[in-house]
Amino acid sequence: DGGITQSPKYLFRKEGQNVTLSCEQNLNHDAMYWYRQDPGQGLRLIYYSQIVNDFQKGDIAEGYSVSREKKESFPLTVTSAQKNPTAFYLCASSIRYQGTEAFFGQGTRLTVV
Amino acid sequence: QQQVKQSPQSLIVQKGGISIINCAYENTAFDYFPWYQQFPGKGPALLIAIRPDVSEKKEGRFTISFNKSAKQFSLHIMDSQPGDSATYFCAARDSGGGADGLTFGKGTHLIIQP
Repeated sequence: DGGITQSPKYLFRKEGQNVTLSCEQNLNHDAMYWYRQDPGQGLRLIYYSQIVNDFQKGDIAEGYSVSREKKESFPLTVTSAQKNPTAFYLCASSIRYQGTEAFFGQGTRLTVV
Repeated sequence: QQQVKQSPQSLIVQKGGISIINCAYENTAFDYFPWYQQFPGKGPALLIAIRPDVSEKKEGRFTISFNKSAKQFSLHIMDSQPGDSATYFCAARDSGGGADGLTFGKGTHLIIQP
């Protein structure tokens, strides 16, 4: 089945540690996105990638980093510089940048302990 | 700043009733308006979408009404069912470049009481 796979589903991190969230898609989509979801805040864009080997900052990129070495993979690293990393993280993809439908993964819930 | 304002934040509707969620925007370059449905612990899934060249789109019990002059659009869920209980997000996309993916509203937590 085609889709987007995020792993792990739950992740716990100690303060001061970096952690990497995985996102893989087999939809052959060019564009991929990372969103952060907090209660009452909707979805806020962290980073996006229009094509392999390219990515751009979104609205709340501080404390995060990404890479796009392969078309199907867009991992997100939450660094120790992120002041409040506890949140639900969603990865999405679309056929092309500014394409229409965005498909979402099932999300990763990150908790800092 | 691009924004999509969504209301209400939460909504309780009796089974069989009509659920209505509203969104408003400012950016006239937006040209695609999807609604997403999200169940707890899951990622959002596209429910229905509309482009501004039509005023209404219906898919089953779900209808989007679009008012271009008022820059508003709304989701109507007819004959609401307990299985419709979820969080709903409206969104908008600017095809003119410079926008970074979809701009989302803050969501509406819908509860359908049996």
